[in-house]
Amino acid sequence: SQQGEEDPQALSIQEGENATMNCSYKTSINNLQWYRQNSGRGLVHLILIRSNEREKHSGRLRVTLDTSKKSSSLLITASRAADTASYFCATDARRGNEKLTFGTGTRLTIIP
Amino acid sequence: GAGVSQSPSNKVTEKGKDVELRCDPISGHTALYWYRQSLGQGLEFLIYFQGNSAPDKSGLPSDRFSAERTGGSVSTLTIQRTQQEDSAVYLCASSLFQGKETQYFGPGTRLLVL
Repeated sequence: SQQGEEDPQALSIQEGENATMNCSYKTSINNLQWYRQNSGRGLVHLILIRSNEREKHSGRLRVTLDTSKKSSSLLITASRAADTASYFCATDARRGNEKLTFGTGTRLTIIP
Repeated sequence: GAGVSQSPSNKVTEKGKDVELRCDPISGHTALYWYRQSLGQGLEFLIYFQGNSAPDKSGLPSDRFSAERTGGSVSTLTIQRTQQEDSAVYLCASSLFQGKETQYFGPGTRLLVL
């Protein structure tokens, strides 16, 4: 599997419920980022968490990072129809070159 | 302020033709990326420009693909002799200094090769 894999690949929940997406990676990282993509167009940066951080909040978003398990989760609380999008994690490998590596994404559908 | 812009938004071309895709990064951003995304798939890295350094071309899928970045700003991605499998959304992103930082994406160019 590639660096940065999200699961599930697709998730459908009722509006108002919480949505949790996970990302696993293989190599040590400096930071991990989550991005959102609507309708196959440009990605929008949501949040960045550094390797020495365990949890970070931004509005209805909560990101956790477990470097021992090489995994991260993105929680969206009180979901809204407008949250329907694809969500990608991106990792910055500590020994890597100057690139981010994006995962394959989770397609989230919020049912009104 | 202006974000990353890309043109054209959509491009339909015939197999065998050459196409040029343009990216205008955010002013002052020294790092610029090109990605390709096929329908329902993740992002495939193509090429990375960082300042005046030689670009990282390791993601280009074949020698039909090339990219330039003139004056450290605007970039063009050229696909020669297009094939149907080149059909995808081509995304450009820029970041302030290093590619490992937050990347700001353009809206993409949707390429369809008939």
